[in-house]
Amino acid sequence: DVKVTQSSRYLVKRTGEKVFLECVQDMDHENMFWYRQDPGLGLRLIYFSYDVKMKEKGDIPEGYSVSREKKERFSLILESASTNQTSMYLCASSSDSQFYLGYTFGSGTRLTVV
Amino acid sequence: AQKITQTQPGMFVQEKEAVTLDCTYDTSDQSYGLFWYKQPSSGEMIFLIYQGSYDEQNATEGRYSLNFQKARKSANLVISASQLGDSAMYFCAMREGTDNFNKFYFGSGTKLNVKP
Repeated sequence: DVKVTQSSRYLVKRTGEKVFLECVQDMDHENMFWYRQDPGLGLRLIYFSYDVKMKEKGDIPEGYSVSREKKERFSLILESASTNQTSMYLCASSSDSQFYLGYTFGSGTRLTVV
Repeated sequence: AQKITQTQPGMFVQEKEAVTLDCTYDTSDQSYGLFWYKQPSSGEMIFLIYQGSYDEQNATEGRYSLNFQKARKSANLVISASQLGDSAMYFCAMREGTDNFNKFYFGSGTKLNVKP
């Protein structure tokens, strides 16, 4: 079964910490995405990548960075965590050749910054 | 302007009845795709159905169908014969154009509650 795996389901971090959220997909997808989900706001795109070492800013990149050193892995980095980054973070991947299948999502990481 | 609008924050439906979840979209592209996802309380987003902008027939997948009205820019999800397991958040999404990194836009979601 094809999968997108997010390393942690729940995380609690302190303000000012550097936080790494990891995402791995086993489908050989070209494109990977990081979203955050907040009640009433839907999903908002933070960063995405369409190739190894390539990254593009989404709609809300401030306070975040990303890394894609290998095709299967896309990491989201919170440089200095703040309480307003408490949220659900969803990783997704997609294939250029199977556009009609949309995204495959991971199970999400619920991050709490205290 | 919002790319995807879902105007129903929450809905109730009786088990075994049909329900329609509304979605309108905004794009000037001729080529685009519309998607619906289900998110149960476990958090994972599950792909339900896809409609391409050039598809002449409404998409169907089992109990799910997409009522595509292009002129009105609406893509409503219809769930027939609701089941208790259909209780979840539902998100409408759109991909515009032919970008090779197919960025999506999501609506704010509709929380569906199926009553026994």
